[in-house]
Amino acid sequence: EAQVTQNPRYLITVTGKKLTVTCSQNMNHEYMSWYRQDPGLGLRQIYYSMNVEVTDKGDVPEGYKVSRKEKRNFPLILESPSPNQTSLYFCASTSGGGQPQHFGDGTRLSIL
Amino acid sequence: QKEVEQNSGPLSVPEGAIASLNCTYSDRVSQSFFWYRQYSGKSPELIMSIYSNGDKEDGRFTAQLNKASQYVSLLIRDSQPSDSATYLCAVLTGGGNKLTFGTGTQLKVEL
Repeated sequence: EAQVTQNPRYLITVTGKKLTVTCSQNMNHEYMSWYRQDPGLGLRQIYYSMNVEVTDKGDVPEGYKVSRKEKRNFPLILESPSPNQTSLYFCASTSGGGQPQHFGDGTRLSIL
Repeated sequence: QKEVEQNSGPLSVPEGAIASLNCTYSDRVSQSFFWYRQYSGKSPELIMSIYSNGDKEDGRFTAQLNKASQYVSLLIRDSQPSDSATYLCAVLTGGGNKLTFGTGTQLKVEL
């Protein structure tokens, strides 16, 4: 089954404690993205990757890091999380060429 | 001006009616347009893709694109309570590398 898998689905943690949200896709897609979704603000892109070792900032990259060492994986790293990063996060992938993005089930992060 | 604009709603329609959802975008060179449905706390689910001017129909859903007016719409015929969700308009911008979302329109289908 074609899918984008995120882990964990839910996480409550404290300010400053480094965390990683994993994302994996099994569709051999070139493009992968991370979004955060906040009430009234919609989905905003954090980072995206066009291929292995190629990443670029989206609209709200501050406080986040990503890496793309393998085509299937695109982890999101919060080195020193802060409460303003409490949000619902989605990973997505696409083959590009104007094709739609496929989303993971989401990760709800709460930073206390 | 926001890159992709939608009326936040809520838009309330009776069961069986036609729901009309609208979206405008600012990037004139955009070529790919999408409608996603999102239930509360769930991930966005693709409903329709549209790439050329005119109408595209899929079951009860029709997407309409007017590039001259920079306008995309989604019609849902015979609306059902299960259609109650937030509908996100998304436009591929930035030369085709970036998917920009509107803030979504909440649809409520009432019995």
